[in-house]
Amino acid sequence: GESVGLHLPTLSVQEGDNSIINCAYSNSASDYFIWYKQESGKGPQFIIDIRSNMDKRQGQRVTVLLNKTVKHLSLQIAATQPGDSAVYFCAEGREGGYNKLIFGAGTRLAVHP
Amino acid sequence: DTGVSQDPRHKITKRGQNVTFRCDPISEHNRLYWYRQTLGQGPEFLTYFQNEAQLEKSRLLSDRFSAERPKGSFSTLEIQRTEQGDSAMYLCASSFEGRQYFGPGTRLTVT
Repeated sequence: GESVGLHLPTLSVQEGDNSIINCAYSNSASDYFIWYKQESGKGPQFIIDIRSNMDKRQGQRVTVLLNKTVKHLSLQIAATQPGDSAVYFCAEGREGGYNKLIFGAGTRLAVHP
Repeated sequence: DTGVSQDPRHKITKRGQNVTFRCDPISEHNRLYWYRQTLGQGPEFLTYFQNEAQLEKSRLLSDRFSAERPKGSFSTLEIQRTEQGDSAMYLCASSFEGRQYFGPGTRLTVT
């Protein structure tokens, strides 16, 4: 069936270090992937997305890598800051994201000063 | 603020009562989505609209749930005869070019 999963439920890093959050997906028909950040009591906040015709995309301090061969997605956050502390979700979709998104359970990122 | 808005932010109701939530999408976004999120889990898809047409409904959306988007702008989600298992965060998202932007959610507590 369709599923999006995460390898690490909790990730603790020191401020200033780089963070890597991983995600596995199982639906080879998915062509769109997106990362969200969710702080307590708030809705998911868009971070970065990538389509299946790409394997890397960079934003401000964030990079998403897509490996379609092993169905793996990762989010890299450079120079992690305390404000990055949150739960991070990856999600997959089809038809370029116009369709529903399927989310995993999330990874909690804790940044220590 | 031109983001997705939801009302109310919190709702406490007794089992058996009906509740209705409202979502106002980002202006000119033609797609609107409803998701449900329980504690510690990722959002689960419920339904989505393209303009006023409801294109897909999840099996999670039982007969007690109904959603509308009558004029292709704001949307409502109604839950009839609420049950304790309906307690969750109800999230709305909108999109224009695939990228979905979420609102702050409505936290429903059924006592």
